[in-house]
Amino acid sequence: ETGVTQTPRHLVMGMTNKKSLKCEQHLGHNAMYWYKQSAKKPLELMFVYSLEERVENNSVPSRFSPECPNSSHLFLHLHTLQPEDSALYLCASSQGTMGQTGELFFGEGSRLTVL
Amino acid sequence: SQQGEEDPQALSIQEGENATMNCSYKTSINNLQWYRQNSGRGLVHLILIRSNEREKHSGRLRVTLDTSKKSSSLLITASRAADTASYFCATVNTNAGKSTFGDGTTLTVKP
Repeated sequence: ETGVTQTPRHLVMGMTNKKSLKCEQHLGHNAMYWYKQSAKKPLELMFVYSLEERVENNSVPSRFSPECPNSSHLFLHLHTLQPEDSALYLCASSQGTMGQTGELFFGEGSRLTVL
Repeated sequence: SQQGEEDPQALSIQEGENATMNCSYKTSINNLQWYRQNSGRGLVHLILIRSNEREKHSGRLRVTLDTSKKSSSLLITASRAADTASYFCATVNTNAGKSTFGDGTTLTVKP
């Protein structure tokens, strides 16, 4: 148990669906992240939030829309996805942004399959 | 191109043997971290080594860092079947404000 909880753990959706991934951290951290992990590719940083403000958006397509209503919760809203978006989506948190120690605490991930 | 690159990509050993994984990177760093990931699960932080450190130990883990060669190694001694997982290095650059992960090494420890 890392203190970062992601739901759902598995999600199957069609290309026209709208769904959301949820992440909650119980560690009192003030930075949260979304990463994408595809087969045979390195972990890709998608979004960074620090103190509920988005500080990084790594050229992610607009069909992925993050939301951080408070420092403990992070959402990734999904709509009109493509099959190549199928991947493991990992949420992480840290005390401070990467500018400090950079140690990340990850959730168990949400396995997304787009049909 | 990515910052951290691990080798080998895959490693298979017998229980009790030592496992060594290497990580190379390209730009300056403030620290380097190793993470472990069991299949289909999240990453778990193992150890952090700062740029001014050369070696660090934690239980059966030994990490070295050579900033002149821009490389790090992770040694797992007396491996166990439960060590079977993927291992990733992540480099942290405070100027860039980000952590960059490599492709990972998949370790299989046979009982």
